[in-house]
Amino acid sequence: DGGITQSPKYLFRKEGQNVTLSCEQNLNHDAMYWYRQDPGQGLRLIYYSQIVNDFQKGDIAEGYSVSREKKESFPLTVTSAQKNPTAFYLCASSIWGTGVNQPQHFGDGTRLSIL
Amino acid sequence: GENVEQHPSTLSVQEGDSAVIKCTYSDSASNYFPWYKQELGKRPQLIIDIRSNVGEKKDQRIAVTLNKTAKHFSLHITETQPEDSAVYFCAAEKNSGGYQKVTFGTGTKLQVIP
Repeated sequence: DGGITQSPKYLFRKEGQNVTLSCEQNLNHDAMYWYRQDPGQGLRLIYYSQIVNDFQKGDIAEGYSVSREKKESFPLTVTSAQKNPTAFYLCASSIWGTGVNQPQHFGDGTRLSIL
Repeated sequence: GENVEQHPSTLSVQEGDSAVIKCTYSDSASNYFPWYKQELGKRPQLIIDIRSNVGEKKDQRIAVTLNKTAKHFSLHITETQPEDSAVYFCAAEKNSGGYQKVTFGTGTKLQVIP
């Protein structure tokens, strides 16, 4: 969907460095998500947020941090505490608050590698 | 927490044949089951979904069935075409403490041989 923009497309991290992945959406969705995708492991949830200034840890939150200061933006920081950050990172958003679950809309992803 | 198992991990079929991908889930509170298709180098996109109050849903060549008692759901693709080649993910979702919690399966790589 053109409504979710992730940047950059490729990112390289040096040892001990924090890096931030950007995710912006113009779909007016309340809920936003970050996933990590590794070969053979599918999508694993890192963090999610369903309203501004609130977010919850997913299944693999260690070594990552997020913020949700604006409805449109949900940046993910990969900290130096994440020892194996090489992966494909996907951001997603969905409608929330209707009382029924809604499908997720994904960005094009950011591929992070270690230098 | 929820655990979603997906099988098979790879599937090769001849063009025109049917393909079936199966998922099982562990949490009976899950009530929404979407399927996503991810072509090589592209974003996952929703292809079909089913809610827990429905047993089957069909959209042209794609259908999904849900057995709540057995906690499993399946994706059926008929008359497969080369453009169906992709990785398919199932997911199970529930509302937990006001949040929509999503768990994905590990994916099935489908190859349709012309």
